[in-house]
Amino acid sequence: AQTVTQSQPEMSVQEAETVTLSCTYDTSESDYYLFWYKQPPSRQMILVIRQEAYKQQNATENRFSVNFQKAAKSFSLKISDSQLGDAAMYFCAYRSAREVNNDMRFGAGTRLTVKP
Amino acid sequence: ETGVTQTPRHLVMGMTNKKSLKCEQHLGHNAMYWYKQSAKKPLELMFVYNFKEQTENNSVPSRFSPECPNSSHLFLHLHTLQPEDSALYLCASSQDGMGETGIYFGEGSWLTVV
Repeated sequence: AQTVTQSQPEMSVQEAETVTLSCTYDTSESDYYLFWYKQPPSRQMILVIRQEAYKQQNATENRFSVNFQKAAKSFSLKISDSQLGDAAMYFCAYRSAREVNNDMRFGAGTRLTVKP
Repeated sequence: ETGVTQTPRHLVMGMTNKKSLKCEQHLGHNAMYWYKQSAKKPLELMFVYNFKEQTENNSVPSRFSPECPNSSHLFLHLHTLQPEDSALYLCASSQDGMGETGIYFGEGSWLTVV
């Protein structure tokens, strides 16, 4: 079974600085999707960025970018120019591309604090 | 503003009560999901519906009963719950069952069982 591991329960960053959140996953499959979700205090899970495993190019969405290392099964999230509104729980998620309606596996999350 | 709306946002119920959580998505998606989020545990998938058909029941106790009358609406009927069922229940939807573009969540319904 696929597992997703986020080894950093908590991280903090100074406003305007850059922070990297780590995520590793375990799978025997070659085709899958990876996601980062943000859950602010409002509790709504918001999709931040997604990556298709067959694409070598790292995904980027404004200040958010990923470092996808397929061989190492690593999928880290970099937040540049951190803002106070970035403070939230961040979840890494994996989904197989092989089956319909299969489970999206989530990591345990990393709580990010942004210091003014 | 979210494309997935959940009501009620907060619910307190006794163990003998019957209540329902409602979810509505305005994104034109065909697949809908119920997830449970408990403290210090990863999100747990409970049910999946694709084109109104239930395609996943992740070993959820029968005191949770889902209903999907159409692709836009999803209910979770609650009956004879236990205090350990207290959690945040998240509804989500995706364009199709593959979810390759990601799944989109509602704001959640906080359930407290007393």
